[in-house]
Amino acid sequence: DAKTTQPTSMDCAEGRAANLPCNHSTISGNEYVYWYRQIHSQGPQYIIHGLKNNETNEMASLIITEDRKSSTLILPHATLRDTAVYYCIVRPGSNYKLTFGKGTLLTVNP
Amino acid sequence: GAGVSQSPSNKVTEKGKDVELRCDPISGHTALYWYRQSLGQGLEFLIYFQGNSAPDKSGLPSDRFSAERTGGSVSTLTIQRTQQEDSAVYLCASSPPPGTSGGAMNEQFFGPGTRLTVL
Repeated sequence: DAKTTQPTSMDCAEGRAANLPCNHSTISGNEYVYWYRQIHSQGPQYIIHGLKNNETNEMASLIITEDRKSSTLILPHATLRDTAVYYCIVRPGSNYKLTFGKGTLLTVNP
Repeated sequence: GAGVSQSPSNKVTEKGKDVELRCDPISGHTALYWYRQSLGQGLEFLIYFQGNSAPDKSGLPSDRFSAERTGGSVSTLTIQRTQQEDSAVYLCASSPPPGTSGGAMNEQFFGPGTRLTVL
């Protein structure tokens, strides 16, 4: 799996947009970008994934650069419950293990 | 609907004892994964099942670890002769068949985990 690089931690004010970056410069053509998050003491939760087009769902938006070497997860209106570790993962879009890095600890402040 | 369930939620055992951890995946999910998360560490892949077979066991740390899945449903992770370094949260995840509606491509749904403490 391609290696990803994320900032160790980020802060965001409640109600503001949280923009979490991820670098994956060695991504292969058949690899998707997935985002999961892990709230303290819970199992990871899927957020969104994409191949090359930008994606949006009820939780977040995913912006992937044209060269696919980096992406940004956007939580449009962060709440205190969004405080979690966010993992950016690249892997083939088939049944395959997830390789988790250290992720970004996002702290949403009141 | 019901999510992935794991039991027990907590397990305390003595070094050298065997333990069994159970995972009940979401009904109809064909793929099942085991991961573990040690204190302060990231999530580490252990094993992947497709149906009852395990095409990827590459993450099992030693031959003391084994897992099986029966009936394409319940899975059991067994750790023999537990050691203190086995202490971790063991997480199970399942995913639906590719193309199934209601789920993203091979999205993995995680259970709450079993916290194993080896004294």
